[in-house]
Amino acid sequence: RKEVEQDPGPFNVPEGATVAFNCTYSNSASQSFFWYRQDCRKEPKLLMSVYSSGNEDGRFTAQLNRASQYISLLIRDSKLSDSATYLCVVSVNYGGATNKLIFGTGTLLAVQP
Amino acid sequence: DTAVSQTPKYLVTQMGNDKSIKCEQNLGHDTMYWYKQDSKKFLKIMFSYNNKELIINETVPNRFSPKSPDKAHLNLHINSLELGDSAVYFCASSQDGTLGRYNEQFFGPGTRLTVL
Repeated sequence: RKEVEQDPGPFNVPEGATVAFNCTYSNSASQSFFWYRQDCRKEPKLLMSVYSSGNEDGRFTAQLNRASQYISLLIRDSKLSDSATYLCVVSVNYGGATNKLIFGTGTLLAVQP
Repeated sequence: DTAVSQTPKYLVTQMGNDKSIKCEQNLGHDTMYWYKQDSKKFLKIMFSYNNKELIINETVPNRFSPKSPDKAHLNLHINSLELGDSAVYFCASSQDGTLGRYNEQFFGPGTRLTVL
């Protein structure tokens, strides 16, 4: 079983739609949670951190359910520029005080005009 | 100004060759990383250095050898290249990866390695 699992998509949605991505992780000791965005043939970039209380950044809302080991990302009013791969990422302890990031394989979003 | 830079951007080589990829960051960060993203887009950490000291060493073939001459540079040397080494290699840096908490990682543009 992969440590971080996501639906690979693609999710094809029209502009203005609301789309939700889900992610599950296997390590109950995971410490921190994130969504990264990766454009085609580009490097990943941090989109937002995810907190247990849920957090919002403009049109983006992230939720974490530690009991179910489940993370979600909601994008409202989709724009063409939101088209990208969204990577679910967790931070786990590697040893001592060092953490490492575990990436999901990503969910591809294609927003259509 | 480029925060994390890698050279070369593309690398095409024959099986059996030895090659190096270089990475530099100008963010003043203490920690640098090498990741491999395979053809299925799976991004996985290989190594991490903090202030020139190796702190993460995942299970990778010993043909891969990282070197950090100073905290702003982390290079990756690959011996006896194999077909399966074809991937995109990303360098990243963060403020301090040993603090037991997350520091945002900033990625370089990637080096697309093709082994023929």
